[in-house]
Amino acid sequence: AQTVTQSQPEMSVQEAETVTLSCTYDTSESDYYLFWYKQPPSRQMILVIRQEAYKQQNATENRFSVNFQKAAKSFSLKISDSQLGDAAMYFCALCTPNFGNEKLTFGTGTRLTIIP
Amino acid sequence: AAGVIQSPRHLIKEKRETATLKCYPIPRHDTVYWYQQGPGQDPQFLISFYEKMQSDKGSIPDRFSAQQFSDYHSELNMSSLELGDSALYFCASSSGTSGRGACEQYFGPGTRLTVT
Repeated sequence: AQTVTQSQPEMSVQEAETVTLSCTYDTSESDYYLFWYKQPPSRQMILVIRQEAYKQQNATENRFSVNFQKAAKSFSLKISDSQLGDAAMYFCALCTPNFGNEKLTFGTGTRLTIIP
Repeated sequence: AAGVIQSPRHLIKEKRETATLKCYPIPRHDTVYWYQQGPGQDPQFLISFYEKMQSDKGSIPDRFSAQQFSDYHSELNMSSLELGDSALYFCASSSGTSGRGACEQYFGPGTRLTVT
């Protein structure tokens, strides 16, 4: 079984500052993918960033970047220059390729508040 | 770009009634996933379809059934509704038989089901 743990139920950050959200995971597979999804008050699930386990280079998407530590099974999300629109619930998710059985396993989420 | 379409967006039913949720995946996506998100919870995988065949099954009650049609749209049928079925139901779609394409799922806006 695979698990995803987000140990920070809530985080807050001053607008324009940087914040890091933590995520740890566990899987016995060597091939897997990690994702961060954003869920704003509208409750839409928005894919923020993805990381392939076989890639050593950390993924970056504009102000969003990850710190992928494979040996430690850690996958944190860094948001730079935080904006009011970043306020949302953030979910870390794990997926193992399995020929049609690629369900996402989510962590319990971190609610991010942006302080103006 | 076209996104995943779900209908209806909101649904109110009484206990013991039946509900049908519809999902139209992104064009050329061949895999559909259904997730249930209860209040304050992370999304939980229900069931998935690849090329119109059921590919995986999670904690889906026997009262629920689903299928994927020849045009790749999917329907989730829920019978004998209970108060505990009140939740946000997401459909997600992906492309590819395995690997990142299959794992990278794009979510619809969800159907909010309220059972009274």
